[in-house]
Amino acid sequence: AQSVTQPDIHITVSEGASLELRCNYSYGATPYLFWYVQSPGQGLQLLLKYFSGDTLVQGIKGFEAEFKRSQSSFNLRKPSVHWSDAAEYFCAVASNDMRFGAGTRLTVKP
Amino acid sequence: DTAVSQTPKYLVTQMGNDKSIKCEQNLGHDTMYWYKQDSKKFLKIMFSYNNKELIINETVPNRFSPKSPDKAHLNLHINSLELGDSAVYFCASSHRVAGGTDTQYFGPGTRLTVL
Repeated sequence: AQSVTQPDIHITVSEGASLELRCNYSYGATPYLFWYVQSPGQGLQLLLKYFSGDTLVQGIKGFEAEFKRSQSSFNLRKPSVHWSDAAEYFCAVASNDMRFGAGTRLTVKP
Repeated sequence: DTAVSQTPKYLVTQMGNDKSIKCEQNLGHDTMYWYKQDSKKFLKIMFSYNNKELIINETVPNRFSPKSPDKAHLNLHINSLELGDSAVYFCASSHRVAGGTDTQYFGPGTRLTVL
């Protein structure tokens, strides 16, 4: 069965600093991978997704993620974080249904 | 226009009561879902419906009964509410079956508090 792990429960970065959120998946075949963001009190919004092709995926709000099959990872990155990026970030892997990681809460320091 | 809407946004009720949460999507999608997000933010799928038919039914107490009057609506009815049912419930929809692989669009969530 597919599963996804987000090793970091909470990350704090300074505004303007770079960001990397980690995601590791477990799945037998080529996975469908997603990153969602949840702002406080809001639903989940899709940032980006990977199905096949180029392993570096560009998303909204300046985010990107890189699929690395050898490491079973799909880490999310942003070169310069804005205060409005403070939120909960969820990685998900999908086949017959979607399985979410436990989430990483991002705090942005001024 | 809101793509996936849920009502109510907040629901506070006593143990033992029966309550319903409504979900509507205006995206023309075929598949709808209910997720439960617990206090630790863990998201778990509960149900998936495709064109009004149940596709996924995870291990959920039978006090929870989804109802889909048409493919644009998937309501969640909960009988005999328990303290452990307190959570945020999210509705979502996607275009096709094999719902995991299509992008899912989420509603704003319903925060249920059982006293």
